[in-house]
Amino acid sequence: DAMVIQNPRYQVTQFGKPVTLSCSQTLNHNVMYWYQQKSSQAPKLLFHYYDKDFNNEADTPDNFQSRRPNTSFCFLDIRSPGLGDAAMYLCATSRSGSDQPQHFGDGTRLSIL
Amino acid sequence: QKEVEQDPGPLSVPEGAIVSLNCTYSNSAFQYFMWYRQYSRKGPELLMYTYSSGNKEDGRFTAQVDKSSKYISLFIRDSQPSDSATYLCAIGNTDKLIFGTGTRLQVFP
Repeated sequence: DAMVIQNPRYQVTQFGKPVTLSCSQTLNHNVMYWYQQKSSQAPKLLFHYYDKDFNNEADTPDNFQSRRPNTSFCFLDIRSPGLGDAAMYLCATSRSGSDQPQHFGDGTRLSIL
Repeated sequence: QKEVEQDPGPLSVPEGAIVSLNCTYSNSAFQYFMWYRQYSRKGPELLMYTYSSGNKEDGRFTAQVDKSSKYISLFIRDSQPSDSATYLCAIGNTDKLIFGTGTRLQVFP
């Protein structure tokens, strides 16, 4: 089945230690998104790629970076995680066009020690 | 005022009940209306998607949009324990898609 796969499902890192989360897709969608979701909150869009074009949300902290080396893969880098960055990180994909529904992976739950 | 408002619940119903989940929104330019289901420790899964006012049915699920009132609903008929999850509305236009905070639903046998 075509899908969005996130690895790892659970990630523990230390305060200030860089961490990378990964996302891959077999849907061949050209738009990929990263969301942060905290408990009982709506997913918050961090950034998205339209093909190779990177679009950062205005309120996404500089601590968060992303890379998309090809259509299938996208990475979220957190340079110096703080305790407030503990959350579920969701990757989603869609076809181009803001009317296209987004398809989500199962997320990576990040814990900060 | 938030652009999309959704009652967080929890909503607890017996098996077989009809469930009504709702969202309101503030921007009349919003054109796309989606409902996602999110099980614990999983990503959101698209349930229903509609552009227009009126009803859209898919099995036990009916999505209803009232653009004049800026109000959308998801109805679940004959609810099952497997429907226990958080339901998020997502509403958008050409610029953005905004998620509600989700309503937690518990269906007990």
